[in-house]
Amino acid sequence: EAGVTQFPSHSVIEKGQTVTLRCDPISGHDNLYWYRRVMGKEIKFLLHFVKESKQDESGMPNNRFLAERTGGTYSTLKVQPAELEDSGVYFCASSQESWAANSWETQYFGPGTRLLVL
Amino acid sequence: AQKITQTQPGMFVQEKEAVTLDCTYDTSDPSYGLFWYKQPSSGEMIFLIYQGSYDQQNATEGRYSLNFQKARKSANLVISASQLGDSAMYFCAMREVLTGNQFYFGTGTSLTVIP
Repeated sequence: EAGVTQFPSHSVIEKGQTVTLRCDPISGHDNLYWYRRVMGKEIKFLLHFVKESKQDESGMPNNRFLAERTGGTYSTLKVQPAELEDSGVYFCASSQESWAANSWETQYFGPGTRLLVL
Repeated sequence: AQKITQTQPGMFVQEKEAVTLDCTYDTSDPSYGLFWYKQPSSGEMIFLIYQGSYDQQNATEGRYSLNFQKARKSANLVISASQLGDSAMYFCAMREVLTGNQFYFGTGTSLTVIP
């Protein structure tokens, strides 16, 4: 079974440009999450999809970030226009259920997209 | 306030020895889960072990065990018989029912196994 995949693995862009990151979750996983790790800091939650609906987008930094999940399969995260502070590693994760039977299901992470804004 | 604290930025351990990576957490939610992930230099995040707040026993998965001390709010990862392939970043994370489905992560511990 294929894991979570992300594309591209690396992206180097100039300030003001647009970048679109893609995430393909594990097949059948309704829950999809985006996280970001800025250099030296902790990994921080950005948003959560359940199928095609945004369940929680409280972690999105500002309106330069737009996430979509049309059809409830893959997701894209667009940054427009990119700023220097957007540099970091963007992780996507997916899971089937969340909380069930007094237990959490783990989230399975992709390898991340390393974004560098110059 | 920081939800997850990992106070060891870097750790060294001799091959075949055991090592403990520290993690403390902060929550008022009685229903939560604690996770450890490994991130090797290749970048992927690999799930290692899970401990639920209602679990009576410490979780174990092969050479990994979680020393769960609920009253002290600590969830330390113990790796026994370290191997060279264990060299990686290790992240402690928590999920709470009250705040939904997001993970709260620590800043990570970089573990280096010395031959």
